[in-house]
Amino acid sequence: GENVEQHPSTLSVQEGDSAVIKCTYSDSASNYFPWYKQELGKRPQLIIDIRSNVGEKKDQRIAVTLNKTAKHFSLHITETQPEDSAVYFCAASMYGGSQGNLIFGKGTKLSVKP
Amino acid sequence: GAGVSQSPRYKVAKRGQDVALRCDPISGHVSLFWYQQALGQGPEFLTYFQNEAQLDKSGLPSDRFFAERPEGSVSTLKIQRTQQEDSAVYLCASSPGGAFGYTFGSGTRLTVV
Repeated sequence: GENVEQHPSTLSVQEGDSAVIKCTYSDSASNYFPWYKQELGKRPQLIIDIRSNVGEKKDQRIAVTLNKTAKHFSLHITETQPEDSAVYFCAASMYGGSQGNLIFGKGTKLSVKP
Repeated sequence: GAGVSQSPRYKVAKRGQDVALRCDPISGHVSLFWYQQALGQGPEFLTYFQNEAQLDKSGLPSDRFFAERPEGSVSTLKIQRTQQEDSAVYLCASSPGGAFGYTFGSGTRLTVV
């Protein structure tokens, strides 16, 4: 079955710097890759996603890149702010996300220091 | 409803006790998923429903875990004879179909003592 590995497990940056979180997946059939943000004690919330027919997607300060050949994808946050501090999870799914479940990475705790 | 609602938010159970966790998905959402999230870990898949049909239960850790969605709306996750290793946050998510467009509930934090 699919396995998703995520690193680093913790990341500390200064406000205004960029943050990059990387994930690798094992099953080449996976083709839908969402990213979730989870603040302490709250539900995971979708922040951006990408399908395998696209190499990059941007939404304001957040971008996701996908390398299908290498089976890895990354989250990029620019101009980080203290409110970006949270745990971020990557995930992978097959069928373009149209059916089936998500397989999650173990998470990255991002701390943005003012 | 406006979001995915889970109850109770917190549950303390004595070892060996049975518990039932409820998930009320977004109205009209066909797919419903249960995940287990241990402290400091990512959500781990338990089971998946499409309407009332349980299409995948491969993630249920033992036969003490049982889930149902009899009318294709509200779902209940039941854990029999709880053990300490069952302590975790149980998250429910619903979507219009499949993994795309998940909305998670706030979860039920289960503590087995």
